[in-house]
Amino acid sequence: NAGVTQTPKFQVLKTGQSMTLQCAQDMNHEYMSWYRQDPGMGLRLIHYSVGAGITDQGEVPNGYNVSRSTTEDFPLRLLSAAPSQTSVYFCASSSGTGVLLPLHFGNGTRLTVT
Amino acid sequence: LAKTTQPISMDSYEGQEVNITCSHNNIATNDYITWYQQFPSQGPRFIIQGYKTKVTNEVASLFIPADRKSSTLSLPRVSLSDTAVYYCLVGSDTGRRALTFGSGTRLQVQP
Repeated sequence: NAGVTQTPKFQVLKTGQSMTLQCAQDMNHEYMSWYRQDPGMGLRLIHYSVGAGITDQGEVPNGYNVSRSTTEDFPLRLLSAAPSQTSVYFCASSSGTGVLLPLHFGNGTRLTVT
Repeated sequence: LAKTTQPISMDSYEGQEVNITCSHNNIATNDYITWYQQFPSQGPRFIIQGYKTKVTNEVASLFIPADRKSSTLSLPRVSLSDTAVYYCLVGSDTGRRALTFGSGTRLQVQP
């Protein structure tokens, strides 16, 4: 049981390049989400999904796309990277029931855009 | 969404009890209060969750007053390994869940 797995761990992009940050969970969780964390700041929600085929925007969605074709995977796409997207990205998941269950986080992807 | 406010930082010494308070004035009826701990280069980790009154587990206690507009995370007898950032999260399972973290409290434990 690996939990939440994020790949890659580190990535350097040039401005304008595109890439996909991968997130996979093996806990059959319905809820998945992406956060970014900038130095000295908290976590800001980018996008989230309450189940396969359903996605919604969080606090800072601009410049990012997501899709949820399976329960296990929730990739985050940067269409045209900008230096402002330099950050650490965390993926999280939780099971959906009537009680708010804890979020399980991956170990993050550190992205630098030059 | 219930917005949360926490102190930016706190200092303590080993063996002391640490209380971190989170304000959430517009908490909704269905919202729960959850605290997470984050070490450098790691994702946040669940500590404790509560709805009202007091909750205790093996690592912390959570105190929630009757009006639920604030909550206090209590860490008994902290050690150096408790140095981390602590986040208060308020949200519910009803409908679509946009779970937003506050800016967190950076706790520094000194020997």
